[in-house]
Amino acid sequence: GNSVTQMEGPVTLSEEAFLTINCTYTATGYPSLFWYVQYPGEGLQLLLKATKADDKGSNKGFEATYRKETTSFHLEKGSVQVSDSAVYFCALRKTGANNLFFGTGTRLTVIP
Amino acid sequence: GAVVSQHPSRVICKSGTSVKIECRSLDFQATTMFWYRQFPKQSLMLMATSNEGSKATYEQGVEKDKFLINHASLTLSTLTVTSAHPEDSSFYICSASDAGQETQYFGPGTRLLVL
Repeated sequence: GNSVTQMEGPVTLSEEAFLTINCTYTATGYPSLFWYVQYPGEGLQLLLKATKADDKGSNKGFEATYRKETTSFHLEKGSVQVSDSAVYFCALRKTGANNLFFGTGTRLTVIP
Repeated sequence: GAVVSQHPSRVICKSGTSVKIECRSLDFQATTMFWYRQFPKQSLMLMATSNEGSKATYEQGVEKDKFLINHASLTLSTLTVTSAHPEDSSFYICSASDAGQETQYFGPGTRLLVL
């Protein structure tokens, strides 16, 4: 079946620290992979995506590389800011399908 | 980006009553809308997919007679939880995509508490 496993939170970091949130997946075929972010009181927003192996998605200083050999899509940012405090969801979508499979979400809190 | 709203944001109801949740796409036409449910510390789980003007497609294990979905226009879908019970208490989230279906835009969610 299809599933996504991501690092349990919460994660608390100081401003300018390096962030990694691990995500691994199980899927048949070649899924597309996504990171969504949910800021307090708002809906999930697409942060970045990658549609094939070795693709790197990037946005707002965040990056994630689609690693087929390790079935991973870890989210990284070199220097986090207080405004990055949110819940981050890893997700996959099978080729040809339109529904998403989500991880449980990781809450990040960045302190000044 | 595209905006999706949900109403209400929070609802408390008595066991046995029905609750309707609205999902609206504010600035685009949503040919497809999705309804998810999220229990504490668990993933968002897809409940059903609805295309405008046709019956919703429910995921395995989701009772279609209990969770009534209507997608009567290109900007509005409703989820009605009929005869709600405490075990239906959850966070319900909708998303919408346009004809290209490349990106889903999510609403902020509705927290339902059934007493």
